[in-house]
Amino acid sequence: KAGVTQTPRYLIKTRGQQVTLSCSPISGHRSVSWYQQTPGQGLQFLFEYFSETQRNKGNFPGRFSGRQFSNSRSEMNVSTLELGDSALYLCASSLSGQHNEQFFGPGTRLTVL
Amino acid sequence: QKEVEQNSGPLSVPEGAIASLNCTYSDRGSQSFFWYRQYSGKSPELIMFIYSNGDKEDGRFTAQLNKASQYVSLLIRDSQPSDSATYLCAAFGRAAGNKLTFGGGTRVLVKP
Repeated sequence: KAGVTQTPRYLIKTRGQQVTLSCSPISGHRSVSWYQQTPGQGLQFLFEYFSETQRNKGNFPGRFSGRQFSNSRSEMNVSTLELGDSALYLCASSLSGQHNEQFFGPGTRLTVL
Repeated sequence: QKEVEQNSGPLSVPEGAIASLNCTYSDRGSQSFFWYRQYSGKSPELIMFIYSNGDKEDGRFTAQLNKASQYVSLLIRDSQPSDSATYLCAAFGRAAGNKLTFGGGTRVLVKP
């Protein structure tokens, strides 16, 4: 079974731009969660999608948004990028939600200049 | 108080010894607990999950859960240099809004 895939793996953007990251979950998994990881703040929860609906979200500004498609693939978007948005963005998939085992993708390393 | 707390380490362990990692959580209603291993520059990899009080063993790893004391621990037996990584503890709590919260991680160094 293929694992979780994320594209692109690396991104360099400038302040004010926007970015879209993509995540394809493990086949059969319906829940996709997004996390931001930085050295200072650790792994922080952004949002979870299940069956195309946002089921939960963390404490991030509205510049961070996401969606999930009918095939469970998910995208997250960050608008008006700030320097502090530089981070590793991870998505994780699970069968039915965060209460089950989650499997992480390789992440997208975003650098904002 | 952080929702999930771990000692940041580093925890230095001789090769072949037992590494003992601890994690405490504040949400008494937490129901599912997970341990992830993360190598530098890589994404977290699931090692163990535990839902019930007591011990759960998987190979060289043992997870221990004590809901009354609100702590979860991970034991790594016969530690190998390849076990050198950061170990993340996570708790899923309905009281916290049905979300998974991660601790800051404990860095483990296994010395040959």
